[in-house]
Amino acid sequence: NAGVTQTPKFQVLKTGQSMTLQCAQDMNHNSMYWYRQDPGMGLRLIYYSASEGTTDKGEVPNGYNVSRLNKREFSLRLESAAPSQTSVYFCASSEPFFQETAVEQYFGPGTRLTVT
Amino acid sequence: QKEVEQNSGPLSVPEGAIASLNCTYSDRGSQSFFWYRQYSGKSPELIMFIYSNGDKEDGRFTAQLNKASQYVSLLIRDSQPSDSATYLCAVNSGYSTLTFGKGTMLLVSP
Repeated sequence: NAGVTQTPKFQVLKTGQSMTLQCAQDMNHNSMYWYRQDPGMGLRLIYYSASEGTTDKGEVPNGYNVSRLNKREFSLRLESAAPSQTSVYFCASSEPFFQETAVEQYFGPGTRLTVT
Repeated sequence: QKEVEQNSGPLSVPEGAIASLNCTYSDRGSQSFFWYRQYSGKSPELIMFIYSNGDKEDGRFTAQLNKASQYVSLLIRDSQPSDSATYLCAVNSGYSTLTFGKGTMLLVSP
């Protein structure tokens, strides 16, 4: 099992360019997530998909769009990249949370994005 | 806005000592609590989770939860240089998402 995979691993964009970050999981999880991590800021949730066919905004959704293509794949799109979007992007997956349970989120290796 | 607070550190301990990492959270409705470890340049990996008040032990790691004080901690006994990493506290408040703290950097010196 590969777990959670992300492509690309590194990317450099110019301001205004667009790109899509790809994420796939082979653990048959229902929920998938996109985070960004900036120095000293921890992990901040951009968007999530609690189950196939649904997506919701997280803490920092502005400038991003997502697509839950199928149960395995969840992509993140930057329509017009800005230097403020320079970050490390992590995709994660898990089973849905239920009351009084604790479910692990599994993280991909990350994409390091630089916008100049 | 749900908040999870951690001291950024670095927390420096000598090899063999006990490292104590602390986390407070703002949402009294929070139900489950997680500690992730993240090595530099790598993705987070789960160390432990806890959802009942009290202590939970797993090898050298002990998670402690006090819901009345809105406080969760992670103790690492017999700290090793390989434990040097950033430790992220995360809180689930009943929905399908986690709120992460900014992390505490731990440095274990030989």
